Amino acid sequence: KAGVTQTPRYLIKTRGQQVTLSCSPISGHRSVSWYQQTPGQGLQFLFEYFSETQRNKGNFPGRFSGRQFSNSRSEMNVSTLELGDSALYLCASSLVGRKGTINYEQYFGPGTRLTVT
Amino acid sequence: DQQVKQNSPSLSVQEGRISILNCDYTNSMFDYFLWYKKYPAEGPTFLISISSIKDKNEDGRFTVFLNKSAKHLSLHIVPSQPGDSAVYFCAASARGNEKLTFGTGTRLTIIP
Repeated sequence: KAGVTQTPRYLIKTRGQQVTLSCSPISGHRSVSWYQQTPGQGLQFLFEYFSETQRNKGNFPGRFSGRQFSNSRSEMNVSTLELGDSALYLCASSLVGRKGTINYEQYFGPGTRLTVT
Repeated sequence: DQQVKQNSPSLSVQEGRISILNCDYTNSMFDYFLWYKKYPAEGPTFLISISSIKDKNEDGRFTVFLNKSAKHLSLHIVPSQPGDSAVYFCAASARGNEKLTFGTGTRLTIIP
C-alpha cells in the first residue's frame, strides 16, 4: 500500500506570496492532519479534516487554511507569506473508526520544505 | 505552554545497551500517547502507542511505560542498534480531540 505523498517536496517563495501544498493520504484513510515543524518547536498542529470538513484547528493565524476533497486528498494554503513561515509542513493520515472516532496512529508523509526569502 | 515535554534534547547510548527516552505531560485530559521516530528528510514514523488504561505496551525491542500519577512516559529500546539513531518524538491526544500534541523531540545517537 502506498504511503502518504506530499507535493512539492521543496519550495522557495518570497515574502507576501501565497503557496498551496498538496497531500494524498494512504488509500482508505479519511482523516488528514497538517503539522508545521520548525527547529526547537517540534511539530505544531495546524488543522484536521475528515469528510471534507475541518474538525479541529490549531493556534495559527487565518493566513493558514486548508481543504479536503471527496477523495480525501487535502491541500493547505498559506497566504501573505512571512519569513517565519519557513518550515517543514507535514501531512498525516489515519483511519477513522466505525463510530467516527479517530485512530490516533497517524501516518506521515515526507513533508514539504518551505523556504520564505 | 508546552503540554508535552521532552527535556533531553539529545542522548547517546552504546550499541547493545538500553536506550531510555523520557516524556512528561501536563494536560490530565490526555488519554492516548504515541512515540514517533524521525530520520532527516523523512516524515515521522509511528513506533508504538499506549492507552491510559494500560501502564505498559511492548512491541519487539520497544516498550513504552506510562505512569499516570506522575504524568510521565518513557520509551525503552533494548538492545539499541545503530539504525535506531534518529529523533524521537513523544505525542499525546485527548479523548474526542483529534489533534496530536508533540514534544520537541530527543535526538538519539547509538554509538557502535
